[in-house]
Amino acid sequence: AQSVTQLGSHVSVSEGALVLLRCNYSSSVPPYLFWYVQYPNQGLQLLLKYTTGATLVKGINGFEAEFKKSETSFHLTKPSAHMSDAAEYFCAVSGSGANSKLTFGKGITLSVRP
Amino acid sequence: DGGITQSPKYLFRKEGQNVTLSCEQNLNHDAMYWYRQDPGQGLRLIYYSQIVNDFQKGDIAEGYSVSREKKESFPLTVTSAQKNPTAFYLCASSRIEGANYGYTFGSGTRLTVV
Repeated sequence: AQSVTQLGSHVSVSEGALVLLRCNYSSSVPPYLFWYVQYPNQGLQLLLKYTTGATLVKGINGFEAEFKKSETSFHLTKPSAHMSDAAEYFCAVSGSGANSKLTFGKGITLSVRP
Repeated sequence: DGGITQSPKYLFRKEGQNVTLSCEQNLNHDAMYWYRQDPGQGLRLIYYSQIVNDFQKGDIAEGYSVSREKKESFPLTVTSAQKNPTAFYLCASSRIEGANYGYTFGSGTRLTVV
């Protein structure tokens, strides 16, 4: 079984400030981890993913995330927020075989203040 | 370009009516999924299919039905038994082998009961 916890439902930052969106996971097998972004009335778009190898993963739009096995975390960061980053962000986990379906967190809404 | 197409983008249903949401993909993906999204509740899995002519219930299948007659198509019917159908519906697809590829999402259908 696997699960994802995204603490809090809303994060607000000022334009130019650091963005940090937290994600903790639980998985009985080595996990594959994903971050998706959703803009209003649109589908989800893949930001980045961790499968194997380097634990610091770089994605689109300047986002990156670090897989920390000891902390069971996969937090998403961006050094400087832009107004266009305002959206909902979902963390997801999958395993292999019978655990290959994605399990999503409840999502976090990011607001960016001018 | 390959992708997933959901139609219509907006759909209105009268009480007691069945409506069908379309989902078509040209990615040659084996697996397809339907999710329901409500504010603050994240994504909830309705049905999924890993192969033609076979599908499984997700977490909230009551009041919904699906078919998978072709690899490319996975339509969702919202029946009159679904008492609270107003929501945003997302279709997704994935390669069946390798959980590390993640899902590709359509742009969604917003269903409103009038």
